[in-house]
Amino acid sequence: KAGVTQTPRYLIKTRGQQVTLSCSPISGHRSVSWYQQTPGQGLQFLFEYFSETQRNKGNFPGRFSGRQFSNSRSEMNVSTLELGDSALYLCASSLEGQVYNNEQFFGPGTRLTVL
Amino acid sequence: DAKTTQPNSMESNEEEPVHLPCNHSTISGTDYIHWYRQLPSQGPEYVIHGLTSNVNNRMASLAIAEDRKSSTLILHRATLRDAAVYYCILDAGNMLTFGGGTRLMVKP
Repeated sequence: KAGVTQTPRYLIKTRGQQVTLSCSPISGHRSVSWYQQTPGQGLQFLFEYFSETQRNKGNFPGRFSGRQFSNSRSEMNVSTLELGDSALYLCASSLEGQVYNNEQFFGPGTRLTVL
Repeated sequence: DAKTTQPNSMESNEEEPVHLPCNHSTISGTDYIHWYRQLPSQGPEYVIHGLTSNVNNRMASLAIAEDRKSSTLILHRATLRDAAVYYCILDAGNMLTFGGGTRLMVKP
């Protein structure tokens, strides 16, 4: 079974631009979560989608948004990029929406650099 | 949100057992204890999770204190491939909140 895939793996943008990252979960998984990882803040939860609905949201500004499609693939969008948005963006999928008793499978991440 | 406290780093010799501690004194009755690890240049990887009883799987063992205010991840025989950042996480059913983790260094 293929793992979680994320595209692109690396991305360079300039301030003010917007960016869309893509995540394909493991086949059969309906929950997709997004995390941001930076050296200063560590791993921070962005949001979680389950069956095309955003179920949980972390403490990030509205410039960060996402969506999930009927095939469970998910995209996240960051508008009006700032230098501080440079980070590794990780996507994770799980079978069910509630992760308390479920394993989350992480992708390799998309490394975003904002210049 | 319940928080976890872990040592910043630990060192181990190859082939020896490693005990990684985690304190979570504000844990609630419904919080599961998860452990993930992140190898260099990779996304986090699930290790083990539990609620009240000790748990074993092919990767590790999880020992949970009777009052659930602390837990210990046990790697029975550390290998060089186990060098990673280990995260102890409490989860109440919605999302994983990662702390700083413990960087495990394994010496040959």
